[in-house]
Amino acid sequence: AQSVSQHNHHVILSEAASLELGCNYSYGGTVNLFWYVQYPGQHLQLLLKYFSGDPLVKGIKGFEAEFIKSKFSFNLRKPSVQWSDTAEYFCAVLTNTGNQFYFGTGTSLTVIP
Amino acid sequence: GAVVSQHPSWVICKSGTSVKIECRSLDFQATTMFWYRQFPKQSLMLMATSNEGSKATYEQGVEKDKFLINHASLTLSTLTVTSAHPEDSSFYICSACRDLFANTQYFGPGTRLTVL
Repeated sequence: AQSVSQHNHHVILSEAASLELGCNYSYGGTVNLFWYVQYPGQHLQLLLKYFSGDPLVKGIKGFEAEFIKSKFSFNLRKPSVQWSDTAEYFCAVLTNTGNQFYFGTGTSLTVIP
Repeated sequence: GAVVSQHPSWVICKSGTSVKIECRSLDFQATTMFWYRQFPKQSLMLMATSNEGSKATYEQGVEKDKFLINHASLTLSTLTVTSAHPEDSSFYICSACRDLFANTQYFGPGTRLTVL
């Protein structure tokens, strides 16, 4: 069965620190990859997505992610976090066979002013 | 951007009753809708994939007779929790996709179900 794992359950950073959140998936076929963010009390929102082409994708609010196929990874990065980045971050995978999404367990990010 | 609504946002019911949750795409037609369940401090668990005009596809371990899904139109999918029990208390979230290949989901705000 497909699975998505996020290794960091809770991350605490000071403002201006750099962020990297890990995401690994287990699926041997073609995948589409996503990062979603859920701010406190709000809906899930799409941060960025990878379908094909340049493995380094840029999303909203200064976030980017790199797809490394050999490592089955799609890590999320931001060079300098802000207090407003405090949220839950979810990695998700869409396989090309099942038309179904699988989410990681999420990472809670707290940014201290 | 695309807007997805859910109704109700919060429901409390007695054990044994059935509860219907609606998911609507307000400004686009959604050929595919997903239903998720989210436990406190945990990730979203995909329950089922709903395609307009056909039967929903349920994930392993999800009882199709307990969680009835109807996707009767391109803008509406409903999830009915039948004979609800306290262990069904959870946060239920739907998402809708514009296109056939479901590559971008738009999420609803969720419905918090509490079963007494």
